[in-house]
Amino acid sequence: KNEVEQSPQNLTAQEGEFITINCSYSVGISALHWLQQHPGGGIVSLFMLSSGKKKHGRLIATINIQEKHSSLHITASHPRDSAVYICAVETSGSRLTFGEGTQLTVNP
Amino acid sequence: SAVISQKPSRDICQRGTSLTIQCQVDSQVTMMFWYRQQPGQSLTLIATANQGSEATYESGFVIDKFPISRPNLTFSTLTVSNMSPEDSSIYLCSVRDRGEKLFFGSGTQLSVL
Repeated sequence: KNEVEQSPQNLTAQEGEFITINCSYSVGISALHWLQQHPGGGIVSLFMLSSGKKKHGRLIATINIQEKHSSLHITASHPRDSAVYICAVETSGSRLTFGEGTQLTVNP
Repeated sequence: SAVISQKPSRDICQRGTSLTIQCQVDSQVTMMFWYRQQPGQSLTLIATANQGSEATYESGFVIDKFPISRPNLTFSTLTVSNMSPEDSSIYLCSVRDRGEKLFFGSGTQLSVL
C-alpha cells in the first residue's frame, strides 16, 4: 500500500461543475501540499496545509489530521483547470512523498 | 517566491549518450532537489544538491549515473549518463523558499531511443 493514495485517478467533468479530489495518507505528517502539473511537466504549488482549510480563488483545500485525509475542491470548474493534481505529504526531515496524481479533464 | 529556469525542456537522445539538465533560480537557495517522474508515475527524489558539498543521493540512485553539480546558491546541473530507454522520464528541479513553499522548474522531457 502506498503511503499516499489519491482518488479518483481520472476525473472528467463538465464546465461549471464542483470537483473534489481526495488524498489519504498512512503516516504522521508535518504538512501536506497540493500541486498542479500541466502537460509538458511543469508543476505549480497550490497549497501547503498543516491544519484546517485554505482558499485561493476557486480552489479550496482542507485537511483532517486525525483522519489522515485531505481534499482539494474546485468550484465552477473551467477547461483551463484541466491538469494533473498531485498530493504530497511531508514527513520528518522535510521528506516529501508524492501521490500518483489525479488527471482532471474539464470539458466545455 | 522563486522562479526557476530549467533547460532543455525536452530532448531525444541516443542510447549510451549523456544529457545535462540545468536549473537556474532567481534567488539564493540552500538546497535544490532533483526529481524523476517516469511515465504514469509519481515523482521520485533522485538527490538533494547542496552548495559546497557532494549531493545526497536517494536509495537506488548513484553519483556515477546521475552526477550533480552545485557551483553556487542559484544554479545546479543534473547529468543523466550512459542513457538507456529506461531513463526516459520527466526530470524536474525544485527548491523551497523560507516559508517552505515548493517551486519547480518547468521540467525536462527526456526520450531515449
